[in-house]
Amino acid sequence: KQEVTQIPAALSVPEGENLVLNCSFTDSAIYNLQWFRQDPGKGLTSLLLIQSSQREQTSGRLNASLDKSSGRSTLYIAASQPGDSATYLCAVFSGSARQLTFGSGTQLTVLP
Amino acid sequence: ETGVTQSPTHLIKTRGQQVTLRCSSQSGHNTVSWYQQALGQGPQFIFQYYREEENGRGNFPPRFSGLQFPNYSSELNVNALELDDSALYLCASSFFREPYPQEQYFGPGTRLTVT
Repeated sequence: KQEVTQIPAALSVPEGENLVLNCSFTDSAIYNLQWFRQDPGKGLTSLLLIQSSQREQTSGRLNASLDKSSGRSTLYIAASQPGDSATYLCAVFSGSARQLTFGSGTQLTVLP
Repeated sequence: ETGVTQSPTHLIKTRGQQVTLRCSSQSGHNTVSWYQQALGQGPQFIFQYYREEENGRGNFPPRFSGLQFPNYSSELNVNALELDDSALYLCASSFFREPYPQEQYFGPGTRLTVT
């Protein structure tokens, strides 16, 4: 059974700092990995999708890497802004289960 | 391009009642998945519909059921509501082309409160 863990559960940083969010998964047989952003009480916004054959994806100030063999992914946020404050969720799509399995998220607060 | 929409936004029901939640897929998508998100947790997969048939199911009892319509919209039905069913219910659509699942796009969710 696929399990996804995100560390840390919460993070508070001053504006302008670069930061890294971590995600680990137990079963390396994945099709892809997605990072999402969720604002309080809202739905999920897809940030980046990495296919299993890829090593990283970039979008603006965001960079996500994937090391499938070790079951790890990181989301790097450059020059953080107060508007980046949200919960960031990592999810893997496992082929056998045909479903996204989510971590519990990292709650990020960027202080002005 | 219209994104994923869900209705209603909020809903309050009494234990034992039945509820129907609705989802409209993003244009061009053929697959709908439903997730339950309890407060402070990541979403949990309920089931997925592809070509109007259930195409995968998570660890949820049969009182959670669904439908997908020819226009790819979908319903989630929950019978005999329990207090623990209180959660944010998320719908996600994607274009599924064997064998690789594509990026999933989520709707804003329906907040269900069971009293």
